[in-house]
Amino acid sequence: GAVVSQHPSRVICKSGTSVKIECRSLDFQATTMFWYRQFPKQSLMLMATSNEGSKATYEQGVEKDKFLINHASLTLSTLTVTSAHPEDSSFYICSASSGTVTYEQYFGPGTRLTVT
Amino acid sequence: AQSVTQLGSHVSVSEGALVLLRCNYSSSVPPYLFWYVQYPNQGLQLLLKYTSAATLVKGINGFEAEFKKSETSFHLTKPSAHMSDAAEYFCAVRSRDDKIIFGKGTRLHILP
Repeated sequence: GAVVSQHPSRVICKSGTSVKIECRSLDFQATTMFWYRQFPKQSLMLMATSNEGSKATYEQGVEKDKFLINHASLTLSTLTVTSAHPEDSSFYICSASSGTVTYEQYFGPGTRLTVT
Repeated sequence: AQSVTQLGSHVSVSEGALVLLRCNYSSSVPPYLFWYVQYPNQGLQLLLKYTSAATLVKGINGFEAEFKKSETSFHLTKPSAHMSDAAEYFCAVRSRDDKIIFGKGTRLHILP
């Protein structure tokens, strides 16, 4: 149980285009979803927290207009990187929490974004 | 504020030897602590967690960790390393608003 999927696993896009990454909880309802960014050989940095049906809460320093997050249902959250640039290339990982204790998170397999 | 410090960005052990990955925490609330493993190009998998119950926590794949309040430590151990244990390991702590704060990670190398 508690499986989280991400799609795509890898994506290459050209600079200036937008790319959408999906995060799905497959066997539970995710009241809260999280998006992390991981630079090579570094730790995970929380980008934003989203609750179903409400606006995402972004961490300090994360551009909300660049990283659009939608949590339209209890099983799906999307991250759209708008007008991508090479410096947006990174590994993006989502996680989902099913209950009121949001430190109990289940992680997706990650999406490798490369912007050329 | 809550934080974790992982001592050693790289640790190498021989196959069959003891694995010890060090983590020290700082927390202004009763700490909940976690160890995660990440294999290359994959997400994170929870190895074990401490949530104020037993101080010796057993996890998956033969790993365990001991919460020591006096030392503010939560070191991860495994008696005998396998080649398949080679991965990145992250120690983490619960934040005041119930999010997870990760350490910088320790890459474990297993020598044949």
